[in-house]
Amino acid sequence: GAGVSQSPSNKVTEKGKDVELRCDPISGHTALYWYRQSLGQGLEFLIYFQGNSAPDKSGLPSDRFSAERTGGSVSTLTIQRTQQEDSAVYLCASSPDRGNYGYTFGSGTRLTVV
Amino acid sequence: KNEVEQSPQNLTAQEGEFITINCSYSVGISALHWLQQHPGGGIVSLFMLSSGKKKHGRLIATINIQEKHSSLHITASHPRDSAVYICAVRSWGNQFYFGTGTSLTVIP
Repeated sequence: GAGVSQSPSNKVTEKGKDVELRCDPISGHTALYWYRQSLGQGLEFLIYFQGNSAPDKSGLPSDRFSAERTGGSVSTLTIQRTQQEDSAVYLCASSPDRGNYGYTFGSGTRLTVV
Repeated sequence: KNEVEQSPQNLTAQEGEFITINCSYSVGISALHWLQQHPGGGIVSLFMLSSGKKKHGRLIATINIQEKHSSLHITASHPRDSAVYICAVRSWGNQFYFGTGTSLTVIP
C-alpha cells in the first residue's frame, strides 16, 4: 500500500494476556518507529529500527515490551502479561531516514486492557 | 524538566489570524519535527528541520539551532487547521523527545 499500515486497528484484551501489534511500513523506508499515546497524554517513543542496525530500545517501558522487524520490513510489537496501564494508542511511523524526510504515521492500534 | 517545551498549550484564534506556536528544546539535536494530530487521532508529519526555514502552503517552520528554538507559523488560519501541533526532536544520541502539544482551535 501507499501508507503505513497497522493492524489490528482496535484490540481489547484481558489483563495478563499477551498481545501482538503489527506495522507494515512504506516499502523502501529503512527507518521504523513505534510510539504510544496514552489517553490525554503526549507521544512517547518506544523503539526505533534503522536498516540492519541493532534497534534503539531505550524507550521501552519494561521488559514486558519487545519488538522485532523481520527482513527490514514488517515490525511486530509484543506486549507480554498486559497491564491496564498499557492501554493506549500504539503508533508506528516509517521514514526513508535520509536527507530531509519526515515521518509517515500509521493510523494506530487502540489497545484496551480490561 | 522536559527536554522539549511548547507554548502556548492552548490557543484559540479567529479565522484569518496569523498563528505562531513556539518550541524550545534543551538537547543537541539532529532534527526537529512538527507534527499535526487531528481530533480523530491521526498524525501527520508537517516538517522536518535541521536548519533554516521551510514553507508548505500556509505553513512555515523556522529553527534557530544556536538558540534551540523553533516556531511554526500558520498564515490566514482556517477552522480546518484546528488540531494539536506537536514539536518533536531527535537528539544526536537518537533519543526522541516530544513536546506536550499545542491545541489550536480556529473559530469561523
